[in-house]
Amino acid sequence: DAGITQSPRHKVTETGTPVTLRCHQTENHRYMYWYRQDPGHGLRLIHYSYGVKDTDKGEVSDGYSVSRSKTEDFLLTLESATSSQTSVYFCAISSGGWETQYFGPGTRLLVL
Amino acid sequence: ELKVEQNPLFLSMQEGKNYTIYCNYSTTSDRLYWYRQDPGKSLESLFVLLSNGAVKQEGRLMASLDTKARLSTLHITAAVHDLSATYFCAVEPNSGYALNFGKGTSLLVTP
Repeated sequence: DAGITQSPRHKVTETGTPVTLRCHQTENHRYMYWYRQDPGHGLRLIHYSYGVKDTDKGEVSDGYSVSRSKTEDFLLTLESATSSQTSVYFCAISSGGWETQYFGPGTRLLVL
Repeated sequence: ELKVEQNPLFLSMQEGKNYTIYCNYSTTSDRLYWYRQDPGKSLESLFVLLSNGAVKQEGRLMASLDTKARLSTLHITAAVHDLSATYFCAVEPNSGYALNFGKGTSLLVTP
């Protein structure tokens, strides 16, 4: 398995609080991605990174920000969590080109 | 906007039977990926299809890609219970980095 970890794995928080999710890789892959998975929607891209400090928005980026200060870490921040952000969040990595993406174990976030 | 449509979304099939899952997409791409997800788990890469006419096989699963028709198929041969899972196709447009996922096909194989 690709070396990807996500933390925390589960989190319950209240509306209006900030939340940061961390994705850590040991593969030295250039590309990192954050997705959310909701029933009936498949996976939707939130943000992605194509290098240190290089990030771009995905399909559902509103309410989220990201940072990548090191190759191995990609942080996803919900500045002020809302109930609509209750979801399962997956991080993925790839080496680029036409390689597949490898997914982390996921973080289950519940916003009350 | 790239659209990726899978059908069927739900599939119940008997062990030993054959079936095909379809993945249609709306833009030019010659890069298509299939993933499997077990309940409560992460996604596992199954196949990478990178050119028109590409065919990949692993056990009872075979995936193919027709870029001119913008169609990929995942064929299941002689299904067994262990194949029960949700299967996703994902397309990477030729102009971008990111994958666009279908909504997934939830497969249940029954005795």
